[in-house]
Amino acid sequence: GAGVSQSPSNKVTEKGKDVELRCDPISGHTALYWYRQSLGQGLEFLIYFQGNSAPDKSGLPSDRFSAERTGGSVSTLTIQRTQQEDSAVYLCASSIGQSGELFFGEGSRLTVL
Amino acid sequence: AQSVAQPEDQVNVAEGNPLTVKCTYSVSGNPYLFWYVQYPNRGLQFLLKYITGDNLVKGSYGFEAEFNKSQTSFHLKKPSALVSDSALYFCAVRASQGFKTIFGAGTRLFVKA
Repeated sequence: GAGVSQSPSNKVTEKGKDVELRCDPISGHTALYWYRQSLGQGLEFLIYFQGNSAPDKSGLPSDRFSAERTGGSVSTLTIQRTQQEDSAVYLCASSIGQSGELFFGEGSRLTVL
Repeated sequence: AQSVAQPEDQVNVAEGNPLTVKCTYSVSGNPYLFWYVQYPNRGLQFLLKYITGDNLVKGSYGFEAEFNKSQTSFHLKKPSALVSDSALYFCAVRASQGFKTIFGAGTRLFVKA
């Protein structure tokens, strides 16, 4: 596709369950980012991947959160043992080059009951 | 560590009047600076960026921003506001030698007819 694709668009889960969120970046974009946005608030940085370099995981809020990027393309954000405070919109973005702007997907809305 | 401050949660302006949305930043080295807009129930859209060169940057929808290195600011401006400009605006910063991109908390712009 032409843009950043995220799935699922909506996910409702029960507290304690694991969830996986997927991001398919724009083809050729070397950098991929995950952010979290709660209730139309600011964007909280979670993690970014750039090429074959080790990811910057400095924004992951706890060890329940992890992410991987396979083959330099698709990325999966995994949240284990979900908590109610994990409820938010998870945004993925990709960019090309060090000065490139981020292109965002529509997000995955996670609701933990 | 990088940080962005958007000191105003909300900016109110009358249609036809000039608008300013403020942003200050902190980063090691030279900054790359970005503005994004988020309309209700829609993804984030890129407006403009400062990488190098002219301190006044022009972007989409008639918006512009001025980079001020001494004041570490990158305020977003528009000469004549439209009701359709009402949205949530985010400022973001990246160090020129890295990829980590940090966003501010956002400023909600409300343009009254």
